[in-house]
Amino acid sequence: TQLLEQSPQFLSIQEGENLTVYCNSSSVFSSLQWYRQEPGEGPVLLVTVVTGGEVKKLKRLTFQFGDARKDSSLHITAAQPGDTGLYLCAGIPHFNKFYFGSGTKLNVKP
Amino acid sequence: SQTIHQWPATLVQPVGSPLSLECTVEGTSNPNLYWYRQAAGRGLQLLFYSVGIGQISSEVPQNLSASRPQDRQFILSSKKLLLSDSGFYLCASYRLTGQKNYGYTFGSGTRLTVV
Repeated sequence: TQLLEQSPQFLSIQEGENLTVYCNSSSVFSSLQWYRQEPGEGPVLLVTVVTGGEVKKLKRLTFQFGDARKDSSLHITAAQPGDTGLYLCAGIPHFNKFYFGSGTKLNVKP
Repeated sequence: SQTIHQWPATLVQPVGSPLSLECTVEGTSNPNLYWYRQAAGRGLQLLFYSVGIGQISSEVPQNLSASRPQDRQFILSSKKLLLSDSGFYLCASYRLTGQKNYGYTFGSGTRLTVV
C-alpha cells in the first residue's frame, strides 16, 4: 500500500496550459516536500512545506499544504516544455524517514 | 552544500551474481543516509536507512543488505541477485539543522539490470 497517493499518474498538456497535481494521504505529516526528477537522474528538491495551510510560490509553481497536513497540491501556471518530468511528493510521518508518493509524470508539448 | 557520489551509473549483472553499490557523501558530517529503489517512471521505495556508522534499518524484507562502514559511506549489497532486483537505485542524504529542513540530496542513481 502507498502511504502517499498522487494524482493524476500521467498528464500530457500543451504549452501555456495550467495544471494541478495532488498528493493525498490518510496520515498526518510533520512536513511535506515536492521533488522533480528527469529521466536517469535523481530527484531534485523544489519546496518544503511544514505548516498546515501554508502556500509557497516558486516562479510559476504554487505549492499548498492542507490545513490538516494530510495533503498537498502543486499548481503550475502557463506550463512550459522545460516543466516536463516526474513530480514526486514526499512526507515524513516518522522521524528520519521520508515516504514518497507514486509520482505524476508530466509532459508539456510545445 | 552536500554532494552524493554514486557508482556505477549502469550495471548489467546475471542472476545469482553478487552486487555492491557504493555511495559516498561530501559536504556534511553525520548525515542520515538512505537507499531507495525506483520502478520505471514511478515513486521511490525506501529500502534501507542509516542514522550513523553501523546503524542500519531495513524497510523491506528482501535479499538485499546495506552497510555503513564509515560516516559518509553507504553500501548496498546482495549475495545473489534476482531478476526482480532490477531497477533504478538511488542513494540519498538528509540534513536537518535546527528547524531548517533541507530535504534530500540524491545521487545520480544506478540503473541495475539483472539478466
